[in-house]
Amino acid sequence: AQSVTQPDIHITVSEGASLELRCNYSYGATPYLFWYVQSPGQGLQLLLKYFSGDTLVQGIKGFEAEFKRSQSSFNLRKPSVHWSDAAEYFCAVGAGGTASKLTFGTGTRLQVTL
Amino acid sequence: NAGVTQTPKFQVLKTGQSMTLQCAQDMNHEYMSWYRQDPGMGLRLIHYSVGAGITDQGEVPNGYNVSRSTTEDFPLRLLSAAPSQTSVYFCASSPGPREPQHFGDGTRLSIL
Repeated sequence: AQSVTQPDIHITVSEGASLELRCNYSYGATPYLFWYVQSPGQGLQLLLKYFSGDTLVQGIKGFEAEFKRSQSSFNLRKPSVHWSDAAEYFCAVGAGGTASKLTFGTGTRLQVTL
Repeated sequence: NAGVTQTPKFQVLKTGQSMTLQCAQDMNHEYMSWYRQDPGMGLRLIHYSVGAGITDQGEVPNGYNVSRSTTEDFPLRLLSAAPSQTSVYFCASSPGPREPQHFGDGTRLSIL
């Protein structure tokens, strides 16, 4: 069975600083990979997805992620964080040829200091 | 376009009571899923459906029933609520197996 590890439970960065959130997955074949963001009391919003092709994917709100098969990683990056980026971020993997049965990581809570 | 609508937003139950969490989508999506979110555990898949009349179990199906009589609706039933089912429940839908899921705003359920 697939699994997702987000090793950082909580990260604090200053506004304007760069950000990298880590995600490692376990799956035998090429997975479908996602990053979602959740603001307090809200549902999940898709930031970006990787299915195949170019390993560097661009998403909304200035986020990008890079799929590295050799490291089983799909880290999320942003060059300059804004205070409105404070939220919880979830990495997820869809396996078995479907993006509708997702396995999520435990999430990373991002705090942004002014 | 309302997207994925979940009702109610909040609910408190007593142990042993039954309840149905409603999920409706107006995007004509074939695929729908239910997840529960618990602190420190991310989201876990309860049940999912690939179309009307077709459902299957996810990672944590025990204590929950689902049915899919229409494309639009995918209700989640708790037949006899237990405190361990206290959680936030999310419904999601997508048009196909290779499309990302759209999530509702969740139902916060407390069982006393």
